[in-house]
Amino acid sequence: GESVGLHLPTLSVQEGDNSIINCAYSNSASDYFIWYKQESGKGPQFIIDIRSNMDKRQGQRVTVLLNKTVKHLSLQIAATQPGDSAVYFCAERGNNAGNMLTFGGGTRLMVKP
Amino acid sequence: NAGVTQTPKFQVLKTGQSMTLQCAQDMNHNSMYWYRQDPGMGLRLIYYSASEGTTDKGEVPNGYNVSRLNKREFSLRLESAAPSQTSVYFCASRSGGSGNTIYFGEGSWLTVV
Repeated sequence: GESVGLHLPTLSVQEGDNSIINCAYSNSASDYFIWYKQESGKGPQFIIDIRSNMDKRQGQRVTVLLNKTVKHLSLQIAATQPGDSAVYFCAERGNNAGNMLTFGGGTRLMVKP
Repeated sequence: NAGVTQTPKFQVLKTGQSMTLQCAQDMNHNSMYWYRQDPGMGLRLIYYSASEGTTDKGEVPNGYNVSRLNKREFSLRLESAAPSQTSVYFCASRSGGSGNTIYFGEGSWLTVV
């Protein structure tokens, strides 16, 4: 079945450093991937997405890399700030009715001042 | 533009009681979703509605019912609450087509005692 997982449940970084959050997925037919940020007590917030026909996409301070060969997704945050502290989820969309997403378990990013 | 609004934010129920979680979106989105989030786990899809007038089961539908009242509103009902339904519930919506982002509400914290 489809599954999405994260390698590191907690990541602690120094303010100003770059952060890399990793995600593995198992469904080779997935065609769309999203990263969400969830702050305590709030709903997930869209960060960036990427389609399977791309291997890199950049946003403001964030970059998503997709390696379809090893079914691996990563989120890079440049110059990490205290406001980046949150739980980050990756999600994939396989070939299913309703375009449903499958979410990973989440990685907590802690930014040390 | 409020996005996705869900109520109530907090609710305590006794086992066997019933309740309805309300959700409304003002983005004219076609698809709406209900997820639950449990500690240490990712979001799991309960039910979804691909368009007005249709509803379908997700990954964990048992113990729940839904109603797509109109294009804006998608409610989740617990007919006889059980302690296993203690969770955080998130409503979400998506405009439709491929690659469109799913937007989440702020969450409803439900405790069943």
